[in-house]
Amino acid sequence: AQSVTQPDIHITVSEGASLELRCNYSYGATPYLFWYVQSPGQGLQLLLKYFSGDTLVQGIKGFEAEFKRSQSSFNLRKPSVHWSDAAEYFCAVGLIQGAQKLVFGQGTRLTINP
Amino acid sequence: GAGVSQSPSNKVTEKGKDVELRCDPISGHTALYWYRQSLGQGLEFLIYFQGNSAPDKSGLPSDRFSAERTGGSVSTLTIQRTQQEDSAVYLCASSSRAGYNEQFFGPGTRLTVL
Repeated sequence: AQSVTQPDIHITVSEGASLELRCNYSYGATPYLFWYVQSPGQGLQLLLKYFSGDTLVQGIKGFEAEFKRSQSSFNLRKPSVHWSDAAEYFCAVGLIQGAQKLVFGQGTRLTINP
Repeated sequence: GAGVSQSPSNKVTEKGKDVELRCDPISGHTALYWYRQSLGQGLEFLIYFQGNSAPDKSGLPSDRFSAERTGGSVSTLTIQRTQQEDSAVYLCASSSRAGYNEQFFGPGTRLTVL
């Protein structure tokens, strides 16, 4: 069965520091991959997505992610975080067949120290 | 409006009562999804509607849960005889076929069952 693992439940970084959030997936074919962000009391906002092509994808708010097939990973990065980046981040895999539902990881909560 | 809207934003009910949650998708979006976000289970797919096709109900946790989509637009998720374990945030998302698998989420309905 398809699954997504985000190994880090909670990460704390200082403002201005670099960030990497890890995501590993299990899926039998080339997946569609997504990163969503959820601020407190808000819905999910799409940061970026990977369907095919260039394995390094750029998203909104200065985020990027790299698809590595050999590692079944899709890690999210940002060179310098801002206090407004504090939120919960979800990695998801989209199934190509059938309902095209999203399977989400458990999420990583990001705290920013001033 | 421009985005997915959901109502009510909060719902408190007593165990055993029925509740209805509403979702208004983005105009023109043919696909509509319901997800549930709870502390213990994370984000889970519930049901998917695509155009006039039969819905994919594979994620519904029990027969107390049902959903319908009228006129290819508004959707209602109904939970009968609510239980405390139904307490969660229920998220609705919609997508267009052109934006394959890119789902836009509403702010959610927080359901509390006392």
